[in-house]
Amino acid sequence: QSALTQPASVSASPGQSITIPCSGSSDDVGGYSHVSWYQQYPGRAPKLIIYEVYKRPSGASTRFSGSKSGSTASLTISGLQAEDEADYYCCSFAGRSTSVSLYVFGTGTKVTVL
Amino acid sequence: VHLVESGGGVVQPGRSLRISCEGSGFTFSNYGLHWVRQAPGKGLEWLALIWADGTSTFYLESLKGRFAISRDDYKNTLYLQMNNLRAEDTAVYYCATRSGGCPEDWGQGTLVTVAS
Repeated sequence: QSALTQPASVSASPGQSITIPCSGSSDDVGGYSHVSWYQQYPGRAPKLIIYEVYKRPSGASTRFSGSKSGSTASLTISGLQAEDEADYYCCSFAGRSTSVSLYVFGTGTKVTVL
Repeated sequence: VHLVESGGGVVQPGRSLRISCEGSGFTFSNYGLHWVRQAPGKGLEWLALIWADGTSTFYLESLKGRFAISRDDYKNTLYLQMNNLRAEDTAVYYCATRSGGCPEDWGQGTLVTVAS
């Protein structure tokens, strides 16, 4: 399995909403509900913000929401704030033990708040 | 949940290195554990998973035979043994817990640099 496809960058003004797609296949995103999203600031470890497609872990902002349609998962950030400027990655379970990779990450999206 | 990686550093190509990840603040033996790496300026790459009971391990296909994941629940520590290191293995290596699927809680990472 190759990396899931995300746009390299997305930008918007404060207060606006953005959606980041994460495109895969029936072997990963389309076949399972184990899709997560992470926020990563420069020089910091990734932080889980969405798991199992749409669930938010304790402490994650309610402005983050997740969804999935077919083989594409999406992260929506509502009411964009300056603190949302970071890199975002999706992750999906990618199959059985015979797969090339049990889990696969997205290519990453840099969010810029204008 | 608190995870702290250690053991990174500069290593020559072809040499071996074992990095560690010590967990605290949770029942370590109840969790599966991942290793994930991130090369400088690049994205995240999943490497390996070990089940909570340690009976099963899974690897990125291209690393099989060169990297080995293991755990010592008495020491609350996860390991990644890396052999025959190459320049392209240069990255920050993260450990993370697994509750149901993709990594959940992450450590701060340890930098491994493979260079002569």
